[in-house]
Amino acid sequence: EAGVAQSPRYKIIEKRQSVAFWCNPISGHATLYWYQQILGQGPKLLIQFQNNGVVDDSQLPKDRFSAERLKGVDSTLKIQPAKLEDSAVYLCASSSRVTDAPDADTQYFGPGTRLTVL
Amino acid sequence: EDKVVQSPLSLVVHEGDTVTLNCSYEVTNFRSLLWYKQEKKAPTFLFMLTSSGIEKKSGRLSSILDKKELFSILNITATQTGDSAIYLCAPKTSYDKVIFGPGTSLSVIP
Repeated sequence: EAGVAQSPRYKIIEKRQSVAFWCNPISGHATLYWYQQILGQGPKLLIQFQNNGVVDDSQLPKDRFSAERLKGVDSTLKIQPAKLEDSAVYLCASSSRVTDAPDADTQYFGPGTRLTVL
Repeated sequence: EDKVVQSPLSLVVHEGDTVTLNCSYEVTNFRSLLWYKQEKKAPTFLFMLTSSGIEKKSGRLSSILDKKELFSILNITATQTGDSAIYLCAPKTSYDKVIFGPGTSLSVIP
């Protein structure tokens, strides 16, 4: 079974530029999460999708961050314009919504995108 | 507001030591608790706990949940240098929201 795919793996931009990250979850996983992880901290949830609907985006800085999951499969996260404090690893994760699946509560993470804003 | 506290935040031990990592939480609509190990890349899944008092084991690692006192512990016996990592505790709600704690950074010295 293929895992969660993310691209790019690394990105370096200057402040005020725009950047987009892509995530393809595990096939059949209805729930998709985007996290921001700053060095030395635990992952912070930015947005959670259930199929193509947003379940929680309470910690997404909506003035500069946006995310979509139009067809309920892959997702993009965009930052426009970027700030220095956006330097972090952006993690995408997915989980199965099928409640009787043995791994129903397990989240699977992609490799992450390391963003550096100069 | 949902809250996850892990202690200690960092720990240095010698190979062969046993360590206990703590996680306490205050989460609305709690459903389960996940433990992850994070080295230099993305977190990898260790355990999922849903019931109080039932220990989950995997090799030298074990974990248990107390839903009444709202905490969980992760034990690692006979530590090895390969156990050096950040250990993340993450309660999950019935709405599938996962809230991560700050992590415990474990360093195992030869």
